[in-house]
Amino acid sequence: DQQVKQNSPSLSVQEGRISILNCDYTNSMFDYFLWYKKYPAEGPTFLISISSIKDKNEDGRFTVFLNKSAKHLSLHIVPSQPGDSAVYFCAASDFGSARQLTFGSGTQLTVLP
Amino acid sequence: DTAVSQTPKYLVTQMGNDKSIKCEQNLGHDTMYWYKQDSKKFLKIMFSYNNKELIINETVPNRFSPKSPDKAHLNLHINSLELGDSAVYFCASSQAPDATNEKLFFGSGTQLSVL
Repeated sequence: DQQVKQNSPSLSVQEGRISILNCDYTNSMFDYFLWYKKYPAEGPTFLISISSIKDKNEDGRFTVFLNKSAKHLSLHIVPSQPGDSAVYFCAASDFGSARQLTFGSGTQLTVLP
Repeated sequence: DTAVSQTPKYLVTQMGNDKSIKCEQNLGHDTMYWYKQDSKKFLKIMFSYNNKELIINETVPNRFSPKSPDKAHLNLHINSLELGDSAVYFCASSQAPDATNEKLFFGSGTQLSVL
């Protein structure tokens, strides 16, 4: 039962353009969402998060949007840079599961120079 | 100064063997975790320890046994290795288990290959 889904395994974007990575979830109890970025041979690193009381959170070039009614969140990267090429994992948690994170399967972003 | 370090990075072994993966964090965090990245690339939690005490134990075969000698270390012992145990195992730590911001710091992973 995959409660967090990233349906696009890969995405290619031209440098300078916007990258949009999508994530869907099924558990309506999730109330905190995070994005992690992973380079090859490294562990995931925290990128940005959003609480369910908000619908947008911005940090520099990265913005996360949350649509609770659609159970959908997205990560926007503007402008995209070659160094952004990595696997991006969406994750979600809820208080009831002791804040245990449920991860999606990741999306490989390739930013072309 | 690696924040979360795990060793070895690669582990190739035969079926039936017993192996261990070590993890150490120097962030002063109270909570440590083991995650498994399966063939479909999902990261799934296996165990969580808070201050040396087990707080999360997902449905994992009892061949897997975590050991936490102190809150900076969480080692993973695997007995009687099976082909299906082949995966990448990530150690992680966080400030507290019930923090609103469940921000995890991950190690670089151990690629386990069982032949």
